[in-house]
Amino acid sequence: AAGVIQSPRHLIKEKRETATLKCYPIPRHDTVYWYQQGPGQDPQFLISFYEKMQSDKGSIPDRFSAQQFSDYHSELNMSSLELGDSALYFCASRDRSLTEAFFGQGTRLTVV
Amino acid sequence: DAKTTQPPSMDCAEGRAANLPCNHSTISGNEYVYWYRQIHSQGPQYIIHGLKNNETNEMASLIITEDRKSSTLILPHATLRDTAVYYCIVSGTTSGTYKYIFGTGTRLKVLA
Repeated sequence: AAGVIQSPRHLIKEKRETATLKCYPIPRHDTVYWYQQGPGQDPQFLISFYEKMQSDKGSIPDRFSAQQFSDYHSELNMSSLELGDSALYFCASRDRSLTEAFFGQGTRLTVV
Repeated sequence: DAKTTQPPSMDCAEGRAANLPCNHSTISGNEYVYWYRQIHSQGPQYIIHGLKNNETNEMASLIITEDRKSSTLILPHATLRDTAVYYCIVSGTTSGTYKYIFGTGTRLKVLA
């Protein structure tokens, strides 16, 4: 079965650079969630989209923005990167007819 | 969002049943109980969810108390591959949209 695809899987950026993470949901899933997981921490909810509109917002820094496109894929844009942004970033998707979401394998971002 | 309380860690002998408890005393009537697990730094894996009735699938069973204030995830025959952090999450449309907020989880170690 198709799963949530995230790219890239690994990314190394320097401080103050910009990064773009991509998420391709399971086919026909219309809701996307983004999470950040720092070293030794639990996943923290950042933001979600339903039918290309922002549906909920968590602890997402102002330097980050995200959007969902017409094909339902989503991108998380991160600017002015800081060392503390080094983390795993997970995307999850859900179909409106389901109550459970499914997660991708994540993007490991390292800021140096 | 309803909050959950889980023991920080548990051990279980291989081949025995692992019973992971979760308290969610402030759960609302339309909120589901979800269980996810995270093996090392992989993406969280959906296990099971339920509303009122007990549920069983190929991975686990979920027992929800009648007052819905607590639940137990049961892995009937734990294997070494079940070693992971297990998260109990409460979410539903009473929270606005479905949003999966991770707490601290239970670190389950299956012992050979």
